[in-house]
Amino acid sequence: NAGVTQTPKFRILKIGQSMTLQCAQDMNHNYMYWYRQDPGMGLKLIYYSVGAGITDKGEVPNGYNVSRSTTEDFPLRLELAAPSQTSVYFCAVGVSHQPQHFGDGTRLSIL
Amino acid sequence: AQTVTQSQPEMSVQEAETVTLSCTYDTSESDYYLFWYKQPPSRQMILVIRQEAYKQQNATENRFSVNFQKAAKSFSLKISDSQLGDAAMYFCAYREGSGGADGLTFGKGTHLIIQP
Repeated sequence: NAGVTQTPKFRILKIGQSMTLQCAQDMNHNYMYWYRQDPGMGLKLIYYSVGAGITDKGEVPNGYNVSRSTTEDFPLRLELAAPSQTSVYFCAVGVSHQPQHFGDGTRLSIL
Repeated sequence: AQTVTQSQPEMSVQEAETVTLSCTYDTSESDYYLFWYKQPPSRQMILVIRQEAYKQQNATENRFSVNFQKAAKSFSLKISDSQLGDAAMYFCAYREGSGGADGLTFGKGTHLIIQP
């Protein structure tokens, strides 16, 4: 089993560019989460989903969008990249109200 | 809003010794969950241990145990017989027990160094 797969692992964007961070799971978990981790900080919740077709904002949703058309996939979209979005992004999944399995993270730099 | 505080940015322990990582939290809720996560240099977050607030008994997972003091809002992690593989960042996290699946509130982490 692959578990939680995030792509890409690294990416450099220019200010104003857009991109989508991919997250795919093969664990059939309903709950999926996107977190960001800034240097020296804990994780902060961006968006989450309790099932296909349902998404909700977390603590720091501004500048991001998500969709959940299937149970397996939960992409995170950055429309107009800003330097403040330089961070490491983690996708996580769980069977209830907590993330249990995390992906390896995507390191994103906005220059 | 709930807050989670880890007052030790870095801790160091000799291999095979015991170390305790501190965590305090602030909440007005009575129903909640507390967690410790480990993040090794590979960056992947690993759930170490979980505690339900309604349970008086402290959670234990092999060499990892917690000291949950609900009145003091304290949730420390004890690692016994420290091993080199325990070296990592450790994050304490909180979640409300009822309501929506709004994820976890994390502390800033404690960097644990294991000295051989």
